[in-house]
Amino acid sequence: DAGVTQSPTHLIKTRGQHVTLRCSPISGHKSVSWYQQVLGQGPQFIFQYYEKEERGRGNFPDRFSARQFPNYSSELNVNALLLGDSALYLCASSFKTSYEQYFGPGTRLTVT
Amino acid sequence: RKEVEQDPGPFNVPEGATVAFNCTYSNSASQSFFWYRQDCRKEPKLLMSVYSSGNEDGRFTAQLNRASQYISLLIRDSKLSDSATYLCVVNTVYNTNAGKSTFGDGTTLTVKP
Repeated sequence: DAGVTQSPTHLIKTRGQHVTLRCSPISGHKSVSWYQQVLGQGPQFIFQYYEKEERGRGNFPDRFSARQFPNYSSELNVNALLLGDSALYLCASSFKTSYEQYFGPGTRLTVT
Repeated sequence: RKEVEQDPGPFNVPEGATVAFNCTYSNSASQSFFWYRQDCRKEPKLLMSVYSSGNEDGRFTAQLNRASQYISLLIRDSKLSDSATYLCVVNTVYNTNAGKSTFGDGTTLTVKP
């Protein structure tokens, strides 16, 4: 069975630009969450979506937005990129909220 | 104070050793708990769920103490392949299908020959 997939794997952007990251969950999973991980820290929760609705939001600025599509795939958008947005962005899917999550390989974003 | 705190590590142990990690959480309403392992520059992988009754999977044992709000992971007979960062995860559900997962910053384990 296919696991969680994410694209692209690596991305280099300049300050002020916009980026869209994509995630496809495990088949049958309806919940998708997004995380940001910087070196030396655990993943920080950004958003959780279930059945195409935002169900949870972490402490991130409004420059971060996301959506979930009818096929349960998801996009994370970040506007007006800052140097501090450089990180590994992880997507995780689960059958339902509070169930175990399975992570994709992540998108490594570098902002120069 | 962070919502989820872990032993900072690093832990450097010889093969065959027993090592224990602890994790404390501050939100008493948290409902589900997990341990993940993360290899360098890779995504976190689910190691095991943690239940109040405690659970064991081979050399790994996880326990939850709700009264004291801590979670533990015990690894027996450490292998070189156990070298990784171990992340504690606490889920809080606000209402039906809405919630968030909070990760600790992880504890790094290095098992040496």
